[in-house]
Amino acid sequence: ELKVEQNPLFLSMQEGKNYTIYCNYSTTSDRLYWYRQDPGKSLESLFVLLSNGAVKQEGRLMASLDTKARLSTLHITAAVHDLSATYFCAVASYGNQFYFGTGTSLTVIP
Amino acid sequence: NAGVTQTPKFQVLKTGQSMTLQCAQDMNHNSMYWYRQDPGMGLRLIYYSASEGTTDKGEVPNGYNVSRLNKREFSLRLESAAPSQTSVYFCASSGLQGARTEAFFGQGTRLTVV
Repeated sequence: ELKVEQNPLFLSMQEGKNYTIYCNYSTTSDRLYWYRQDPGKSLESLFVLLSNGAVKQEGRLMASLDTKARLSTLHITAAVHDLSATYFCAVASYGNQFYFGTGTSLTVIP
Repeated sequence: NAGVTQTPKFQVLKTGQSMTLQCAQDMNHNSMYWYRQDPGMGLRLIYYSASEGTTDKGEVPNGYNVSRLNKREFSLRLESAAPSQTSVYFCASSGLQGARTEAFFGQGTRLTVV
């Protein structure tokens, strides 16, 4: 069974600061996803990473994938309050099952 | 375009009662999923259906049954609810969106078993 580890679980950061969330997974996969979840809401797709070295950026968020290290990162640049949410990484198996990390609860403090 | 629709949004059950969570998608996806979300544990896969007529157990299937009624609908049944099944349940579907496979989620069902 594919295992996905995400850290940190909780992250409190000041506005304007940078930080990185890490996502490690246990077996080979060709697809990695990042989702955002606001309190009481569903999951919203942020990024889909399909190949080694893939980098995607949207606003203050940038995601990257290293398939050899089985590692993805979500980098936050100059955080703003609107980024406060829980972020999940998910890895898809070859059988098309999605396995999720435990999530990182991000709070951006003014 | 409704995407993934699940009902109900909220439910309170007494221990031992049964209920069915309904899920439908209008994106013509083959794969559908049921997850439960608990604090500090992320989303855990309960059951998975790769196509109409097929279902497979996920990580935490005990206490649940599913039915893939047709390509659009995938229901989750709790035959005898237990307090440990208090959770938020998400239905999802996945399929090709352009050149890549993506998963889309319903709005969730918040279930409390007392």
